Amino acid sequence: DQQVKQNSPSLSVQEGRISILNCDYTNSMFDYFLWYKKYPAEGPTFLISISSIKDKNEDGRFTVFLNKSAKHLSLHIVPSQPGDSAVYFCAASLTGGGNKLTFGTGTQLKVEL
Amino acid sequence: NAGVTQTPKFRILKIGQSMTLQCAQDMNHNYMYWYRQDPGMGLKLIYYSVGAGITDKGEVPNGYNVSRSTTEDFPLRLELAAPSQTSVYFCASSRPGYTQGAEAFFGQGTRLTVV
Repeated sequence: DQQVKQNSPSLSVQEGRISILNCDYTNSMFDYFLWYKKYPAEGPTFLISISSIKDKNEDGRFTVFLNKSAKHLSLHIVPSQPGDSAVYFCAASLTGGGNKLTFGTGTQLKVEL
Repeated sequence: NAGVTQTPKFRILKIGQSMTLQCAQDMNHNYMYWYRQDPGMGLKLIYYSVGAGITDKGEVPNGYNVSRSTTEDFPLRLELAAPSQTSVYFCASSRPGYTQGAEAFFGQGTRLTVV
């Protein structure tokens, strides 16, 4: 049972344009959501997070939006840069659960010149 | 700071062999985790620990064992390796809570092939 879903395995955008990566979840008890970025042969690195009490969090070029009623979150990258080309994982966690993360399957973002 | 260090980076095992994947962190994090990532899939939690002497199963614990004798180290033991354990293994650590900076930090991974 996939509790966190990323339905787009890949996304291609042009440099300078907006990248929008989507994530859906089924467990309404999740109360903290994170995005990780992963380059080949490296471990995931934290990008941005959002608590379930918020609907938006912004950090530089990265913004995460949370729609709790739809159980949906999205990551916006503006403007997209070639160095953003990587696999992006959405993850969710439960309070009191030891910060365990449930991951989506990832979206491969390619930013083209 | 080194962060989370995993050894080895690559390993080929024969079916039935055993090995220990090492993980060490120097951030004084209470929480540590082992995840595996299969091709085209997300990371799945194998085991986790909330402190020295305390470990618990994750989503896919079968075929693995862990121990946590110190805050810094969290080794993962594979007994009787099987082809289904071919994967990339990631160790991670974090502080408790969800404040800024409590996110999990990951090691570079161990690519394991069982033949």
